[in-house]
Amino acid sequence: NAGVTQTPKFQVLKTGQSMTLQCAQDMNHEYMSWYRQDPGMGLRLIHYSVGAGITDQGEVPNGYNVSRSTTEDFPLRLLSAAPSQTSVYFCASSPGTGQNEKLFFGSGTQLSVL
Amino acid sequence: LAKTTQPISMDSYEGQEVNITCSHNNIATNDYITWYQQFPSQGPRFIIQGYKTKVTNEVASLFIPADRKSSTLSLPRVSLSDTAVYYCLVAAGGFQKLVFGTGTRLLVSP
Repeated sequence: NAGVTQTPKFQVLKTGQSMTLQCAQDMNHEYMSWYRQDPGMGLRLIHYSVGAGITDQGEVPNGYNVSRSTTEDFPLRLLSAAPSQTSVYFCASSPGTGQNEKLFFGSGTQLSVL
Repeated sequence: LAKTTQPISMDSYEGQEVNITCSHNNIATNDYITWYQQFPSQGPRFIIQGYKTKVTNEVASLFIPADRKSSTLSLPRVSLSDTAVYYCLVAAGGFQKLVFGTGTRLLVSP
């Protein structure tokens, strides 16, 4: 059972560079989302998707783009990395968004922007 | 959106029972209460969820009083491996509304 897989685990970027954080799930979950977690803080929602072709913004979407062309994959793109985007990024998925659903998280990507 | 309040940190010793209380005074009728656990360098992991009274699983128990304005996560006989951050969340579906606060940092000592 792979669950939610995130790649890479670690990444160092220079300011202005672009990159894509990958997230894949093999549980046929409809809902997928991206969070960022800064030191000593909780998780903040960046973007989410309730199904293929459908995405929406969360609490902190600026500087990030997403797309959902398949049920399995939900990549997060940084078009022009900034030091403020240094953080740990978590991808999560869920079968749906019903009242008693639960989130399954990946192991995270630690990103440093110099 | 129900706001939750938890203690920032708690300390315990191996073998003790730990109770972490979460306050959610403006919980709505349809809201469920969910707890997640997060170990260092890992994503949060679902522990338990409830709506009212008591829920128990192989990991923990969740106690919810009749007014549902608070809830208590109970971890029986903790071990060193229970050292983690515990998050209390309240939402009526729609994960876009979930707010992960700073959680409760539990430290279990020998």
